[in-house]
Amino acid sequence: DVKVTQSSRYLVKRTGEKVFLECVQDMDHENMFWYRQDPGLGLRLIYFSYDVKMKEKGDIPEGYSVSREKKERFSLILESASTNQTSMYLCASTQDNSYEQYFGPGTRLTVT
Amino acid sequence: GEDVEQSLFLSVREGDSSVINCTYTDSSSTYLYWYKQEPGAGLQLLTYIFSNMDMKQDQRLTVLLNKKDKHLSLRIADTQTGDSAIYFCAEHVDSNYQLIWGAGTKLIIKP
Repeated sequence: DVKVTQSSRYLVKRTGEKVFLECVQDMDHENMFWYRQDPGLGLRLIYFSYDVKMKEKGDIPEGYSVSREKKERFSLILESASTNQTSMYLCASTQDNSYEQYFGPGTRLTVT
Repeated sequence: GEDVEQSLFLSVREGDSSVINCTYTDSSSTYLYWYKQEPGAGLQLLTYIFSNMDMKQDQRLTVLLNKKDKHLSLRIADTQTGDSAIYFCAEHVDSNYQLIWGAGTKLIIKP
């Protein structure tokens, strides 16, 4: 079974703090994704990575950066957290030649 | 640009059939997906349909695709309380493994 894990289920941070969200997958998938999920807006893609050290901006990259130093790990970084980044963050992965995405359980981030 | 639309809520009685609808705009979709998100959990793939099919059945689930109208539906027969979840429609149109997502339909089961 594919497993995608995220470092925290719940996180509370203060405005201006630097926040790291970690995602690890154990199936040697090439592609990894970070989404945020907000009520009524569905999933919006922040960044994705199709290989180690490679990244592409999604629909809403502003205020975020990512890092993929190892194939199994994809990190989302909020350089200076703001209250409008309070959201559910979902990580997903998929292998090449497959469009099925496997999701982690999500991290609910609250920025106060 | 591409867009996928779903209604935000659907309420049905336990034992009835649920039909969740989705419309999309890009006619070059290759795969269309239904994902399920249970409370407090991530998304799980429920079923998918390839664009050259018009129907797919899997136990209580029936997926119907009308390519002419760009309309996708998910029918759940004999809806149970365990079917309470948010159901996301998604389409694949690009070559870089991105999916275009709908906003999700929350299925509410009334006793």
